[in-house]
Amino acid sequence: SAVISQKPSRDICQRGTSLTIQCQVDSQVTMMFWYRQQPGQSLTLIATANQGSEATYESGFVIDKFPISRPNLTFSTLTVSNMSPEDSSIYLCSVRTALGSPLHFGNGTRLTVT
Amino acid sequence: AQSVTQPDIHITVSEGASLELRCNYSYGATPYLFWYVQSPGQGLQLLLKYFSGDTLVQGIKGFEAEFKRSQSSFNLRKPSVHWSDAAEYFCAVEITGGGNKLTFGTGTQLKVEL
Repeated sequence: SAVISQKPSRDICQRGTSLTIQCQVDSQVTMMFWYRQQPGQSLTLIATANQGSEATYESGFVIDKFPISRPNLTFSTLTVSNMSPEDSSIYLCSVRTALGSPLHFGNGTRLTVT
Repeated sequence: AQSVTQPDIHITVSEGASLELRCNYSYGATPYLFWYVQSPGQGLQLLLKYFSGDTLVQGIKGFEAEFKRSQSSFNLRKPSVHWSDAAEYFCAVEITGGGNKLTFGTGTQLKVEL
């Protein structure tokens, strides 16, 4: 399975600022996704990161708040913009190495907004 | 809309005892089914998956799960729990042809008493 590295692993940010989270995979993958896990909650899909084009966002998530880039098949970034305390969550990058393969996750970025 | 239900939010078992974590899904067709485990401060690790075929699936760390179509269930089992199994367990489903997106249950927190 792919090895997924996420940076930073955790951060404490001030309200109104933005944070960019990086996801690096050690091999080319067909699909990359970003999930959010709010405290004590399950995982919610934010968007599918599409290589070379705009991400596909799920209901309730918008590009202005969560801009995503995916310049190639091994790297993606998620930015959490204009943060508020409600954005305090774990953000997880996940990948599929091929169609029909299981989803694999990075260790996540634990974000606290004060 | 598809949904995944994990009825037990918390479960406590004694080390060496058997374990069963319940998962039910609501969807017309048979989806792909997964169990993930999340240890504190970690990302999600895939325990096992069901795509088709034999309804009893073996996974890592001695876990197994059984798909029962008639009950729309995919319960996770382990004959003898170890203290290191204490973690949060998530059931997830993927609609075939549904854009490769997973829907997660709310999770079951497992505590193991020594």
